[in-house]
Amino acid sequence: DQQVKQNSPSLSVQEGRISILNCDYTNSMFDYFLWYKKYPAEGPTFLISISSIKDKNEDGRFTVFLNKSAKHLSLHIVPSQPGDSAVYFCAARYGGSQGNLIFGKGTKLSVKP
Amino acid sequence: DGGITQSPKYLFRKEGQNVTLSCEQNLNHDAMYWYRQDPGQGLRLIYYSQIVNDFQKGDIAEGYSVSREKKESFPLTVTSAQKNPTAFYLCASSIAGGPQPQHFGDGTRLSIL
Repeated sequence: DQQVKQNSPSLSVQEGRISILNCDYTNSMFDYFLWYKKYPAEGPTFLISISSIKDKNEDGRFTVFLNKSAKHLSLHIVPSQPGDSAVYFCAARYGGSQGNLIFGKGTKLSVKP
Repeated sequence: DGGITQSPKYLFRKEGQNVTLSCEQNLNHDAMYWYRQDPGQGLRLIYYSQIVNDFQKGDIAEGYSVSREKKESFPLTVTSAQKNPTAFYLCASSIAGGPQPQHFGDGTRLSIL
């Protein structure tokens, strides 16, 4: 059973508007969440992370929100740019684990000029 | 520049052959990981190593083997026992312990002839 779910396989947004990518999880023992961006035939690139003790983390155009009661996190990209077009993976880490991550299946974001 | 190097980028294997994928990092990270990505799927953990001369099975270790003789290197062997080896293989590394992001190489695509 999937512990990290990205229910939207794809998302299309107009350049300059906000992109919101969503991620749900089932395990309350996760203590650290990450977002990765991946272009075709390349490895994922780390974007932003959030600890379970916070509800928001911001880095430039990227903001991650965490709602622990709903077991939901989201990545906001404002403003969206064509170069943001990629697959975005949500990942979660078990608390106290050796750093192993559980990944969602990814959401393909297309930002149209 | 520091980073993770995976080679080769593309690899072809005949059925019944073992093949070894290379992963080298110069980030001075203690922990290293191997993932497999299939189309439309997230990353699934094959093996991981927190320290030299020690490694642990991940979620899908059957048909794979690894070694960790040096801190910088974590080669993955896909054996003939792996029935469906065609996939995109990703190597990652991180600082061991605590919530740290994993950094990825650019992957090796393995195909069966």
